[in-house]
Amino acid sequence: RKEVEQDPGPFNVPEGATVAFNCTYSNSASQSFFWYRQDCRKEPKLLMSVYSSGNEDGRFTAQLNRASQYISLLIRDSKLSDSATYLCVVEYYTGGFKTIFGAGTRLFVKA
Amino acid sequence: NAGVTQTPKFRVLKTGQSMTLLCAQDMNHEYMYWYRQDPGMGLRLIHYSVGEGTTAKGEVPDGYNVSRLKKQNFLLGLESAAPSQTSVYFCASSSTADAGDQPQHFGDGTRLSIL
Repeated sequence: RKEVEQDPGPFNVPEGATVAFNCTYSNSASQSFFWYRQDCRKEPKLLMSVYSSGNEDGRFTAQLNRASQYISLLIRDSKLSDSATYLCVVEYYTGGFKTIFGAGTRLFVKA
Repeated sequence: NAGVTQTPKFRVLKTGQSMTLLCAQDMNHEYMYWYRQDPGMGLRLIHYSVGEGTTAKGEVPDGYNVSRLKKQNFLLGLESAAPSQTSVYFCASSSTADAGDQPQHFGDGTRLSIL
């Protein structure tokens, strides 16, 4: 079983739609959580950190469920420019922080 | 404001050749990382460094060596390239990770093909 699992998609949605991605992680001691965005043939870039109380950044909302060991990303009012791969990232401490990247979920937003 | 710079951006090698990938960061970050990204696999950590002069193995270190002689540079070496090392390589850096919650900043990648 992978330490971080994501639905690879692709998710095909029309502009203006709301779309949600989930990510599950296996290490219950995981401490830090992030969503990164990666455009085709580009480097990953931090989209947002995920906090225990949930957090919002414009059209993006991230939530953490420690009991069920998953994090989610909700995108409202999708734009064409949201088309990308979204990577779930989990960190835990094991003598130093270990960072695990999910394989990513691809999103295509269509006009 | 360069951030993380990787060179070269593309390279084609023959099996058995050696080469070094260069990574430089200008953010004074302590931590630096080398990843490879393959389809369906996500990013996998090859080696990382927590400071100048120190390196450690990641998830997939075999066939690679690294050096961190200067804080701003992290070099990844392939001693004898194999087709299985065809991949996209990303370098990243972050500020002191002991506190956690420190995002990584990535270079724009090196596309390496081994024939």
